[in-house]
Amino acid sequence: AQKITQTQPGMFVQEKEAVTLDCTYDTSDPSYGLFWYKQPSSGEMIFLIYQGSYDQQNATEGRYSLNFQKARKSANLVISASQLGDSAMYFCAMRVSGSARQLTFGSGTQLTVLP
Amino acid sequence: DAEITQSPRHKITETGRQVTLACHQTWNHNNMFWYRQDLGHGLRLIHYSYGVQDTNKGEVSDGYSVSRSNTEDLPLTLESAASSQTSVYFCASSEMDPGIQYFGAGTRLSVL
Repeated sequence: AQKITQTQPGMFVQEKEAVTLDCTYDTSDPSYGLFWYKQPSSGEMIFLIYQGSYDQQNATEGRYSLNFQKARKSANLVISASQLGDSAMYFCAMRVSGSARQLTFGSGTQLTVLP
Repeated sequence: DAEITQSPRHKITETGRQVTLACHQTWNHNNMFWYRQDLGHGLRLIHYSYGVQDTNKGEVSDGYSVSRSNTEDLPLTLESAASSQTSVYFCASSEMDPGIQYFGAGTRLSVL
C-alpha cells in the first residue's frame, strides 16, 4: 500500500524568504506521480506542481519547485520568495500507476508567512 | 473556461435523512472522485468513477453511494445521514495522465 507522510504540522517563514515543506512517500511501484496542492483559508484545493517518477529533472512552476530525491523517497516542495498569500495548508499526494487514478494524500502542513 | 462546481456549498440536515451533494464538471474528464476532509485525517477517498456507468468504492465508502449517468456529473448520496458524516466534501476530476485532479470548492455538511 502506498503512504504519504508530512511530518511538519506547522511551519513559519518570514516574507521574502524561501521555505521547504517536507514530504516522504512509500510505494513499491516503480511508476508513480507526486503532486502538491495548496488549500488557503477559503477552502479550495489548488494544484501547484507535479513530478513523475521517471522525470529526470525536478519540476518547477514559477516560485514553486519540487526537490525530488528518489533514493530517499522524498518530494519536498520549495517555495522561493515567500509572500503573505502563500499562507495556507499544503498537501502532498501520490498516485501509483495502474491503480485507480486515485490520489493518496498526506495530512498536510500549515504554512504561515510572517510580515 | 472549464470548471468543476459543487452544490450546495453549505448544507445542514438531520440524522436519518437522505442527502445528495451535486458535482458537475465541464473539463470532459472521464475520472471523477469524491473525498471527505476532516481535521487530522487529510482527504480520504469515498467513491470514484472512471466513466459513465462505472463506480468504485474508496477508503471510506460506508453510508455513501454514487451514480454516473453522464460524463459531467457524479452526485454523492448519503443514504441515511449520521453525525459522523459531518465533514467537508470535495469533488474532483482528472484526465488520464498524469492524473492531475482539479477540485470543486467543497460542500460543508453538518448533520445534526
